[in-house]
Amino acid sequence: QKEVEQDPGPLSVPEGAIVSLNCTYSNSAFQYFMWYRQYSRKGPELLMYTYSSGNKEDGRFTAQVDKSSKYISLFIRDSQPSDSATYLCAMSAENYGQNFVFGPGTRLSVLP
Amino acid sequence: GAVVSQHPSRVICKSGTSVKIECRSLDFQATTMFWYRQFPKQSLMLMATSNEGSKATYEQGVEKDKFLINHASLTLSTLTVTSAHPEDSSFYICSARGPNLRVHGYTFGSGTRLTVV
Repeated sequence: QKEVEQDPGPLSVPEGAIVSLNCTYSNSAFQYFMWYRQYSRKGPELLMYTYSSGNKEDGRFTAQVDKSSKYISLFIRDSQPSDSATYLCAMSAENYGQNFVFGPGTRLSVLP
Repeated sequence: GAVVSQHPSRVICKSGTSVKIECRSLDFQATTMFWYRQFPKQSLMLMATSNEGSKATYEQGVEKDKFLINHASLTLSTLTVTSAHPEDSSFYICSARGPNLRVHGYTFGSGTRLTVV
């Protein structure tokens, strides 16, 4: 079993749809969770950073963490074509630690 | 902000030559930088952790003599792919822990696409 699993997609949705992206993990020590967006041929950029269980909202993006289920989600409301990218989850057991693990990424296409 | 600049963005080289990739933290000091490799449609794979003033730590299976890492200052790390071969063709990305992890996360460079012909 991989440490972090993520549906690779591709996921295609119409403009304006609500998108749900998910990751599951096996290491119960993970406490810090991040979502990155990566456009083609570019480095990833941080979208959301959350600690432990709960929800965090930032504009059209909402991150959810359920540590009991070892499951995290990123919701995108009113999706736009500019949201088309690969979304990577990442997680770590340590806030200042160097050992954080990426999921394989989900490719999202938002169709106009 | 926390910006990491990576150069060059794209390089084509002949088999057997060496290529140097630079990673600079522009507005913050990065005592630790990370080098990743990414194949098409695959996620980032950590190659090595670069520590300022000391030897890099390589992940299992990464040849340290082939991928030379130098972190001579708090703002610059370099990755040199020595005696490059076509199988080394990939997307190489560096990152650094931002000054405020909760705000910046691990900030990534824009990547270098290496093609070895």
